[in-house]
Amino acid sequence: DAGVIQSPRHEVTEMGQEVTLRCKPISGHNSLFWYRQTMMRGLELLIYFNNNVPIDDSGMPEDRFSAKMPNASFSTLKIQPSEPRDSAVYFCASSLGQINQPQHFGDGTRLSIL
Amino acid sequence: KQEVTQIPAALSVPEGENLVLNCSFTDSAIYNLQWFRQDPGKGLTSLLLIQSSQREQTSGRLNASLDKSSGRSTLYIAASQPGDSATYLCAVTTDSWGKLQFGAGTQVVVTP
Repeated sequence: DAGVIQSPRHEVTEMGQEVTLRCKPISGHNSLFWYRQTMMRGLELLIYFNNNVPIDDSGMPEDRFSAKMPNASFSTLKIQPSEPRDSAVYFCASSLGQINQPQHFGDGTRLSIL
Repeated sequence: KQEVTQIPAALSVPEGENLVLNCSFTDSAIYNLQWFRQDPGKGLTSLLLIQSSQREQTSGRLNASLDKSSGRSTLYIAASQPGDSATYLCAVTTDSWGKLQFGAGTQVVVTP
């Protein structure tokens, strides 16, 4: 079975550019989570969706960050404009949406903002 | 505010020794606790999930205990192997939607 698929795997761009990260959850999963991982702050939850509806976006650091889930098989995380401090590994995870079901993670997008 | 702490931050053991990894959390109002493994350049893989009403879970060489009242969990890995080298993270579920709060992880190296 295909796991969570994220693209691109690596992204290098200049400060001020728009960045779009993509995620395809596991088929049949109805919860989707976006995380950011840095050495300084560890793994932080940015936003999560249930049945394509955003439930909690309190982890989104600034208005420059936005996320959408237009359907059950696709989500995007957008940063506009990007800044060097946004450099991190961004993970997407999905789950069956029941409380005692584990989350399944993608391999992440390593983002570098120059 | 929930805080999750993992000690030690790094651990090195010779092959064959048992591994003991610790996780503590400040708020006992959790739905469950999960242990994950992360290999370099990869995402997280779920190892064990302990529901709040459970005391432990086992899978092969792995055993995790949960003492919710004292805010502690321990992951035991028996007879460690070089392939167990990775970073191990614990996380607590803090709402009914599955929101996770992670610890910083313990980096484990098992030497042949």
